[in-house]
Amino acid sequence: GAGVSQSPSNKVTEKGKDVELRCDPISGHTALYWYRQSLGQGLEFLIYFQGNSAPDKSGLPSDRFSAERTGGSVSTLTIQRTQQEDSAVYLCASSLPGSSYEQYFGPGTRLTVT
Amino acid sequence: AQSVAQPEDQVNVAEGNPLTVKCTYSVSGNPYLFWYVQYPNRGLQFLLKYITGDNLVKGSYGFEAEFNKSQTSFHLKKPSALVSDSALYFCAVRDIWDTDKLIFGTGTRLQVFP
Repeated sequence: GAGVSQSPSNKVTEKGKDVELRCDPISGHTALYWYRQSLGQGLEFLIYFQGNSAPDKSGLPSDRFSAERTGGSVSTLTIQRTQQEDSAVYLCASSLPGSSYEQYFGPGTRLTVT
Repeated sequence: AQSVAQPEDQVNVAEGNPLTVKCTYSVSGNPYLFWYVQYPNRGLQFLLKYITGDNLVKGSYGFEAEFNKSQTSFHLKKPSALVSDSALYFCAVRDIWDTDKLIFGTGTRLQVFP
């Protein structure tokens, strides 16, 4: 079946611009996570959605970052006024709810801020 | 707090030889442990998990992992390495106390030489 998809695969933007990253999870997966992978920080959690509950935003590094999930499916991560330190690979993952289920990752969006 | 450690940045092994990629964990409560592999410019692919039950867990591509509670370890193993196994490997623990997010180790680069 279809896996997690993300778009765009690559995004180059100028410092100060806003960007939107999209994630389409596996159908039926109610849990959705965003992670960031960067050279200095490794893999770090950003935000978590579970069904219709309020998202857990505890991993977002600043108020320039926000995310939404529409209809319990597609999610969009928005970064406002991008900075060079935002350059990283942004990974989306989805899973069935519960600790015993593995998360399935998308291919990621490589963001470069110039 | 939940954490995992991967003590080796890189592991080198000759094709056909057995390989081991090390991971140790520190958790409160029962550990939910995972291994993922990342090929260049790709997202993370799930290999295997330990939730409960047998200490030897079998996963994809001939990989297996041994859960050792007394040593708090979850080492990844394969009896006979292939050049195509060369990739970046991440050990992760599920944070069952906080959103079920994955907490990753720093990754180990496996290089299999012909």
